[in-house]
Amino acid sequence: DVVMTQSPLSLPVTLGQPASISCRSSQSLVHSDGNTYLNWFHQRPGQSPRRLIYKVSNRDSGVPDRFSGSGSGTDFTLKISRVEAEDVGIFYCMQGTHWPLTFGGGTKVDIK
Amino acid sequence: EVQLVESGGALVKPGGSLRLSCTTSGLNFINAYMSWVRQAPGKGLEWVARIRTNYEGGTIEYAAPVKDRFTISRNDSKNTLYLHLDSLKTEDTAIYYCTTGTFRDVDYWGQGTLLTVTS
Repeated sequence: DVVMTQSPLSLPVTLGQPASISCRSSQSLVHSDGNTYLNWFHQRPGQSPRRLIYKVSNRDSGVPDRFSGSGSGTDFTLKISRVEAEDVGIFYCMQGTHWPLTFGGGTKVDIK
Repeated sequence: EVQLVESGGALVKPGGSLRLSCTTSGLNFINAYMSWVRQAPGKGLEWVARIRTNYEGGTIEYAAPVKDRFTISRNDSKNTLYLHLDSLKTEDTAIYYCTTGTFRDVDYWGQGTLLTVTS
């Protein structure tokens, strides 16, 4: 199975400041169809996960543009341009290129 | 609006069985890939099982830890997804989420249902 490794595990952030989360895969996530199936999810405390980004850099409907995804191959990044209070929670990356689908271990974001 | 509502979570003894259900609305269920993803207490996310559309033969895939113990199924006439769990172990304790998506993706999630396996 493809191992997804996120860093850091914990990320204390200051409101209004930027934040960045890294996700690395044990194999390239470039599929033979040319797509890279790397998603980002956000799970607020006590809630189910919500998808933010699909195929590396595409924001889901309703996701604020302060969230952006980038990367290629095995290295991916989720950036928050200005952290807001509602961004606390755990962020997960997930790959869908290789079967089975696998998730990163999560990055917990909280406010300093 | 897509809604996925899980039910059936309970407190079960090791070796026991249970069936989880996921009723859906707001999506074209008959054409939807449906999966179960679980989250052990304080832990990360683990994909459990997926069922493709009946048009594609309803092909089923399982994660290794649950293969031969869990059975995923769907009833397109009721827009409902199921997960039958047998030979339960304490390590199966988790919130079980119903999800939908494409062949290589997960997009919508339900609110989850809690299964606790303990003696």
